[in-house]
Amino acid sequence: DSGVTQTPKHLITATGQRVTLRCSPRSGDLSVYWYQQSLDQGLQFLIQYYNGEERAKGNILERFSAQQFPDLHSELNLSSLELGDSALYFCASSVAPGNNSPLHFGNGTRLTVT
Amino acid sequence: TQLLEQSPQFLSIQEGENLTVYCNSSSVFSSLQWYRQEPGEGPVLLVTVVTGGEVKKLKRLTFQFGDARKDSSLHITAAQPGDTGLYLCAGENPGTYKYIFGTGTRLKVLA
Repeated sequence: DSGVTQTPKHLITATGQRVTLRCSPRSGDLSVYWYQQSLDQGLQFLIQYYNGEERAKGNILERFSAQQFPDLHSELNLSSLELGDSALYFCASSVAPGNNSPLHFGNGTRLTVT
Repeated sequence: TQLLEQSPQFLSIQEGENLTVYCNSSSVFSSLQWYRQEPGEGPVLLVTVVTGGEVKKLKRLTFQFGDARKDSSLHITAAQPGDTGLYLCAGENPGTYKYIFGTGTRLKVLA
């Protein structure tokens, strides 16, 4: 158990809809990261927060947004969903940003857009 | 263009064989991590390499960081079916704060 909790585990929704994915980081971790993994693909970096502030942004679509709250949990909002948004969405946390703070991953939210 | 390129992309071998997975970049990384991901789960950290030329061993797995800190390799000796999974190298993209993953190597070890 990594200590990172993601909810829900599965999500099935229709095109055009909006969903919210939730992540609770490991106790003591201040950094939260979001990744998208499509079928048989690698992990695509979406966005990173550190202690409530956005620290780095990857190839995140404008239809997607995220935030980290004062209690350090994070939410990823996906709107105007398209079929191509179907993927596994992972949240990870680390003590601090930087190379020597390895990431601890949740088990992901599997999003299916129909 | 992927900043961290891994090769091979797929590898299917028999139990007991040796294999090497490569992670290459044109950029210098201050450190690299290796993760293994199993189906339906998040990646799990295997090792961090920090110093150029560093070699770390984890049972039958040997990790090396290139002298110039632009590449790394993972060697598995006498592979077991339990080694099956997706192997990913990762690191913080220099100057951007983005923590990125390599393209991945999907390993299947047949009994």
